[in-house]
Amino acid sequence: KNEVEQSPQNLTAQEGEFITINCSYSVGISALHWLQQHPGGGIVSLFMLSSGKKKHGRLIATINIQEKHSSLHITASHPRDSAVYICAVRNTGNQFYFGTGTSLTVIP
Amino acid sequence: NAGVTQTPKFRVLKTGQSMTLLCAQDMNHEYMYWYRQDPGMGLRLIHYSVGEGTTAKGEVPDGYNVSRLKKQNFLLGLESAAPSQTSVYFCASRLVGSNQPQHFGDGTRLSIL
Repeated sequence: KNEVEQSPQNLTAQEGEFITINCSYSVGISALHWLQQHPGGGIVSLFMLSSGKKKHGRLIATINIQEKHSSLHITASHPRDSAVYICAVRNTGNQFYFGTGTSLTVIP
Repeated sequence: NAGVTQTPKFRVLKTGQSMTLLCAQDMNHEYMYWYRQDPGMGLRLIHYSVGEGTTAKGEVPDGYNVSRLKKQNFLLGLESAAPSQTSVYFCASRLVGSNQPQHFGDGTRLSIL
């Protein structure tokens, strides 16, 4: 069973392109998180959403609670954005469920 | 302020050996989590703790034990390591509250031969 599904699994883009990563979930949630995992393995929290939209620099995250769907957008992509992006949801308890990640490569 | 620190970073064990992974956080976080990350799969929750002296099972708890004797430390134990426990283990912590993000350690790469 996969409570969280991400698409695409792999994504290659040219520098400067607009990128969208999608996340769908099947459980009731209290919050949705977007994480970034660097090639070295470290994981960083990018956004936490429970409704609407958030923006941080070139990153934008949106969530539609009714459709159980979230998107992460990267504008003007750069090679340093190359990483694995992970969608995670927290249920109404204290547990998190994670997608398998989207591996993004941005080519100069 | 070191954040979340995991010890060790790498370890190779033989089947049947035991070991303990240590997670330490200096942010006074109440909640702490242990995950494992395997190729082609998302992070999976092993055990978690909502406070000092309390622990609970996650999605894949079998073969692991945990303890939270001090608020800042969350220990993950493997009593008798098996090759299926070869994985990358991540610890995370967060404050109480629905709007609090998780802070992750850098991971421990564990190989069981």
